[in-house]
This record gives sequence, C-alpha cells and structure tokens, in this order.
Amino acid sequence: GDSVTQMEGPVTLSEEAFLTINCTYTATGYPSLFWYVQYPGEGLQLLLKATKADDKGSNKGFEATYRKETTSFHLEKGSVQVSDSAVYFCALSDRGYSTLTFGKGTMLLVSP
Amino acid sequence: NAGVTQTPKFQVLKTGQSMTLQCAQDMNHNSMYWYRQDPGMGLRLIYYSASEGTTDKGEVPNGYNVSRLNKREFSLRLESAAPSQTSVYFCASSLVDKQFFGPGTRLTVL
Repeated sequence: GDSVTQMEGPVTLSEEAFLTINCTYTATGYPSLFWYVQYPGEGLQLLLKATKADDKGSNKGFEATYRKETTSFHLEKGSVQVSDSAVYFCALSDRGYSTLTFGKGTMLLVSP
Repeated sequence: NAGVTQTPKFQVLKTGQSMTLQCAQDMNHNSMYWYRQDPGMGLRLIYYSASEGTTDKGEVPNGYNVSRLNKREFSLRLESAAPSQTSVYFCASSLVDKQFFGPGTRLTVL
C-alpha cells in the first residue's frame, strides 16, 4: 500500500538557519504530494502541494520539489523564523477521491 | 465562514461509555473525513465520506461508526469506548485535493 516516510524529529534550529525536512514515499500510481503544518493546539493547514513530477510547490518561503526518480518531496526553507516552530507532515493522495496518507510528522523547534 | 467546526473540544469517558463527536463544514464540500492523531503515528484515517449518503472505511475503522447526516455534517460515534481510543480526533473536508481541518477533539478514555 501507499506509505510516507519522514525524518524523525525534533529538528532544532536557530533563527535564520536553513531547513530541510526529508520525505520519501511509496505509491502504486502517480500521487499528488503535500506538506501540511500543525501549529500547537491547532488542526492541520495545507502548506504547499505538487501534483506531478518536477513540479515545485511553494508558500511562505517554504519549497518542495516532486522528484519521481527518487520518490521524494523534501521540504526546504532558506531562513527559518521562531514562528515556523510547528509539526510538519508530508502526505500523498493516490486516489480520485483525495484520501490522504500521512507521514508521522516532524517537529521543528526554532530558537531566537 | 467558520470553516470546519468540531464539538466537543475535550472529553473524558470511562471504558464502555458511548459518545458522538460532531463535525460540520460550511464550505459546501462534498468529501469529509475523520482522522485520529496519536504520538509518533501521524494521522490515520478512520472513515471518510466521498459524498452525501456514502461512507467508507479508512485505515483504522474498528470500534467506530459514522453518519453523514447531510452535506454539512459528518459525525463519529464510539459505541463502547476503550482506552486504546484515547487520541486527538480531527475532522476534515475537501475541495478537490485540498483538505481543510477542524481544531480537533481531545478524547481520554479511562
């Protein structure tokens, strides 16, 4: 079945550091790929998405590129802020009615 | 727009008790979902409803039932709660492939 693997956290960074959170996937078809973010005490919010190979999703300074050859969708940001502290989930959708398969989440902690 | 709303926010049950978690969305979305979130497990799909009048099992449906009452509302019922159902429950609705999540219900079963 479909699966998503993310790097384990927490990832601890200083403000303005470069961020990478790795995500790889296994799917039978040609999935759409997503990054969701969960701030403390809240539900998940869509951060960015990519629907086909070589697409780059971007939002709020975060980027991720759909790499079919390596089945990866790594999340990057050039300069993190304290307000980026949250849990980040990689997910895929491999069906027409958009059910999502999530990774286990990676906690990011950014200190001033 | 309120988006996706869930009630209650917190609930404590004793083993064997029953309860219904309520979810409503005001975005006119066809599809709705129930997930549970457990530490180190990510989100796992319990049930979903692709459209009004249809429901399907997700990854972890045992111990739960759902009702798609109308296009707006999708409830999750625990008939006989067990400690293993202690979790945070999220409802979501979707427009095409973008899911919108509610704020969650934190359920503890003693």
